[in-house]
Formats: sequence, C-alpha cells, structure tokens
Amino acid sequence: DAMVIQNPRYQVTQFGKPVTLSCSQTLNHNVMYWYQQKSSQAPKLLFHYYDKDFNNEADTPDNFQSRRPNTSFCFLDIRSPGLGDAAMYLCATSGDYNEQFFGPGTRLTVL
Amino acid sequence: GQNIDQPTEMTATEGAIVQINCTYQTSGFNGLFWYQQHAGEAPTFLSYNVLDGLEEKGRFSSFLSRSKGYSYLLLKELQMKDSASYLCAVSPNAGNMLTFGGGTRLMVKP
Repeated sequence: DAMVIQNPRYQVTQFGKPVTLSCSQTLNHNVMYWYQQKSSQAPKLLFHYYDKDFNNEADTPDNFQSRRPNTSFCFLDIRSPGLGDAAMYLCATSGDYNEQFFGPGTRLTVL
Repeated sequence: GQNIDQPTEMTATEGAIVQINCTYQTSGFNGLFWYQQHAGEAPTFLSYNVLDGLEEKGRFSSFLSRSKGYSYLLLKELQMKDSASYLCAVSPNAGNMLTFGGGTRLMVKP
C-alpha cells in the first residue's frame, strides 16, 4: 500500500544532542511537509519542500533544519534540542490536490 | 493572518449525533479539510469542502458556507471509537499549505 513512513516512532535524546528524524513516502508526491505538534495543540508547519525547493516558515527556529535528498525521503535535523522541542513530529505529503497524507509521527523526548 | 476557531472539547453519547463547528478568517480560501486524530496517532483525512453545501460520506458529513466563513462536521450514530480530536484546516491559497485549528477533542460516553 502507498504510504508515508516515519522512523523511529519514538526517539529519546539528550538536551543539546543532535537528532535526525526520517520520513519516506511511496506515494510519489512532490510536496513533503514537517509539522511539530505539542500536546492538545494544532500541528504547526515548520517547513515544506515543493520538489527540491525548500520553504521555511518565518517563525521556525534556526535549530531546525531539513534535507530532501530525493523524492521519497525527507529528514528533519534538530541541531541542539531543548526541552521545549519535545513534541510529536509529523511528516506529510501532497500531490496535485491539497489533501495531505500524514505519517504516523515520531514522538521526541528530550532528557 | 489566519485564524481558525473550533471548540476545545465536546462530549456526546454513543448512538447520538454531534456537530463540531469551525469558523475561519483567512487571507484567501481554497478549501476546508476535516481530519480525525486519535491520541498519539497521525491525523487522517475525513472530508474536503471547497463549494458551499453539504458533503456526505457514510456516518460523517461536512458543511461549508464560504460567505459566513463557517463549516461543521456532523457525526451520526456515534461509536466509542469516534472519541478523538477533530481538526479543521483551511487552505488559504492555491498552493498546498494548510492552516490548522486547535482541534476539538470529542469524548463519546456509553
């Protein structure tokens, strides 16, 4: 089945220790998104790629970076995680239409 | 800016009908989405409205009034598994971006 895959599902890191979250898709969608979602809050868009074009939201901290080496994969790098970065990180994709398909998310814990 | 409002929490009884409202004020409008999100899981797509009126899909229906900046999600014959958060999201332009509301946590009781 075509899908959006995120690994790992749960990630624990230490304060200040770089961490990378990964997302892959088999939908062949040209747009990929990274959202941060904290408990009981709406998903907050961090950035997105339209093909290889990177688009950063204005209020996304510099601590967050992203890479998209090819159509299928997209990575979220957190250079120096703080306690406030503990959240669920959602990857989503979309094609020609607006509907976004979400992966299962990675729950990040910062110790 | 973009502003999307929906109630924070609702409670309903198994077998009943519940309506979750969403109002929006956005710089543009290119469609409104409803997503369901169970605790600790990813949002899953429920419905999409771009024209005024009602879209029905099984037990779930979604209504849109663009002139009023208003939508609702109607859930019929509620089941315990419908306990989840329901997210209203608006696409403000022809691109693929979505702006999400804070979500409505629905609790279905026996």
